[in-house]
Amino acid sequence: EAGVAQSPRYKIIEKRQSVAFWCNPISGHATLYWYQQILGQGPKLLIQFQNNGVVDDSQLPKDRFSAERLKGVDSTLKIQPAKLEDSAVYLCASSLESPTAYEQYFGPGTRLTVT
Amino acid sequence: AQSVTQLDSHVSVSEGTPVLLRCNYSSSYSPSLFWYVQHPNKGLQLLLKYTSAATLVKGINGFEAEFKKSETSFHLTKPSAHMSDAAEYFCVVSDSGGYQKVTFGIGTKLQVIP
Repeated sequence: EAGVAQSPRYKIIEKRQSVAFWCNPISGHATLYWYQQILGQGPKLLIQFQNNGVVDDSQLPKDRFSAERLKGVDSTLKIQPAKLEDSAVYLCASSLESPTAYEQYFGPGTRLTVT
Repeated sequence: AQSVTQLDSHVSVSEGTPVLLRCNYSSSYSPSLFWYVQHPNKGLQLLLKYTSAATLVKGINGFEAEFKKSETSFHLTKPSAHMSDAAEYFCVVSDSGGYQKVTFGIGTKLQVIP
């Protein structure tokens, strides 16, 4: 079974530029998550999708971050414009259905450096 | 509302001695609880999970955790540490009600001394 795929693996941009990350979850997984993990901290949930719909985006900085999940499969996370404090690893994860009963499978992450 | 507190940011043990990583949680509903491990430059991997079945949960690599509702705790243990256990460990809570929000703890870095 293929795992969660993410691209790019690394990205360096200047502040005020825009950037987009892509995630392809495990086939058949209805729930998709984007996390931000700042160095030395635990992952912070940015947004959670259930199929096409957003379940939780309470910690997504909506003035600069946006995310979509097309046709309930792939997802993109965009930052525009980027700030220095956005430097982090962005993790995508997926699970069969509810996170209550099903484990999340994590992708390798995208390491973003904003200079 | 839900939250999770990992009581130690760093734990250091000698190889062959027991491991105890502490986690307390707060949840408005019956929670599911997880422990994930993150090795350096590797992805997050599930160690074990509690989803209202047996309160003592066994996971991979000899780890286990006990759900104690009265103490709102879900501590992770292993009888004998191995060098390969050196990693960061995250306790995670997910409410069974509402939108089943997921919350990670800040992590505990486990150092194993030879």
